[in-house]
Amino acid sequence: AQTVTQSQPEMSVQEAETVTLSCTYDTSESDYYLFWYKQPPSRQMILVIRQEAYKQQNATENRFSVNFQKAAKSFSLKISDSQLGDAAMYFCAYRRVNDMRFGAGTRLTVKP
Amino acid sequence: NAGVMQNPRHLVRRRGQEARLRCSPMKGHSHVYWYRQLPEEGLKFMVYLQKENIIDESGMPKERFSAEFPKEGPSILRIQQVVRGDSAAYFCASSAFTGTSEEQFFGPGTRLTVL
Repeated sequence: AQTVTQSQPEMSVQEAETVTLSCTYDTSESDYYLFWYKQPPSRQMILVIRQEAYKQQNATENRFSVNFQKAAKSFSLKISDSQLGDAAMYFCAYRRVNDMRFGAGTRLTVKP
Repeated sequence: NAGVMQNPRHLVRRRGQEARLRCSPMKGHSHVYWYRQLPEEGLKFMVYLQKENIIDESGMPKERFSAEFPKEGPSILRIQQVVRGDSAAYFCASSAFTGTSEEQFFGPGTRLTVL
């Protein structure tokens, strides 16, 4: 069974600093996608970034980038130049075909 | 192009009542997914539907829960005889096509509270 683990229930970062959120997953498949979603207090799920497993190059979206280590089944999210608006719950997710699994989330606090 | 719509946003039911949650996918999307989020947890897959078909209901509790996506109208998640443990946020997502690479677009969720 595919499982997604986020080992950091809470993280804190100073505004303008960099923070890394960890995620590991378990799968026997070779073709899948990985995602990071942001859930602000409004509870809307917002896609932050996604990574195709067959691509070795790490995905980047502006201040957000990932460190994808396929062999280690690790998929961490790096947020650079943190902003107050980045404060939210962050969920890592794994998807293969229609099977999408989420981690338990990491609550990110941004200190001014 | 409106996003995924869910209503109601908040629903309060007493134990034993029925809850009906509605989801209107994005225009042009024919694939709908329902997820449940318990407090302080991630989203858990419940069911995947296409128009008039349930494709995968492996995450749906066997009793009291049902889902449909009729030819016309929104997708409905129905919970009969609700219990306190059903209190959660229920999210709907839609996609244009099926497959690993297809992005799912999420609605704002319905927060169900069972008294």
